[in-house]
Amino acid sequence: KNEVEQSPQNLTAQEGEFITINCSYSVGISALHWLQQHPGGGIVSLFMLSSGKKKHGRLIATINIQEKHSSLHITASHPRDSAVYICAVSPGNQFYFGTGTSLTVIP
Amino acid sequence: EAQVTQNPRYLITVTGKKLTVTCSQNMNHEYMSWYRQDPGLGLRQIYYSMNVEVTDKGDVPEGYKVSRKEKRNFPLILESPSPNQTSLYFCASSRHNSPLHFGNGTRLTVT
Repeated sequence: KNEVEQSPQNLTAQEGEFITINCSYSVGISALHWLQQHPGGGIVSLFMLSSGKKKHGRLIATINIQEKHSSLHITASHPRDSAVYICAVSPGNQFYFGTGTSLTVIP
Repeated sequence: EAQVTQNPRYLITVTGKKLTVTCSQNMNHEYMSWYRQDPGLGLRQIYYSMNVEVTDKGDVPEGYKVSRKEKRNFPLILESPSPNQTSLYFCASSRHNSPLHFGNGTRLTVT
């Protein structure tokens, strides 16, 4: 069973392009998280949201609770944005993760 | 510096030899958790702890044990490791209803 589905699995973009990564989930949640994992493995939390929209620099995350869907947008993409982006949901104290979207931004 | 520290970073062991991966955080977080990451399967939660002496199973707890005797430490114990436990392991911590802070990972190989 996959509580969290992400799309696309892989994404290649030219520097400067607008990027969207999608996440759909099937369980009721208290929060949704977007994580970033660079080659070499370290994971950092980008956003935690339970409604609406959040923005941090060139990154924007939105969530639609009724449709059980979230998007992560990257404006003016840069090669340093190349990483795996992971969606996670927490229906309470447990966490369920998507399998990640591998993004490559070409100069 | 606020951080979650896992040790060791790399570990190669043999089937059946008990091992412990340590996790420590210096942020006074109540919530701590362990995950494994496998190609094609992504991250999966093994165990989590809401506070000292309070632990609960995640999605894939079989073959693992944890303990939370102190707030800052949350070790992961493999009493009898098997090759299917070869994986990349992450510890994370957070305040209640706050973003997760991850350790740098432990790459475990069981032969």
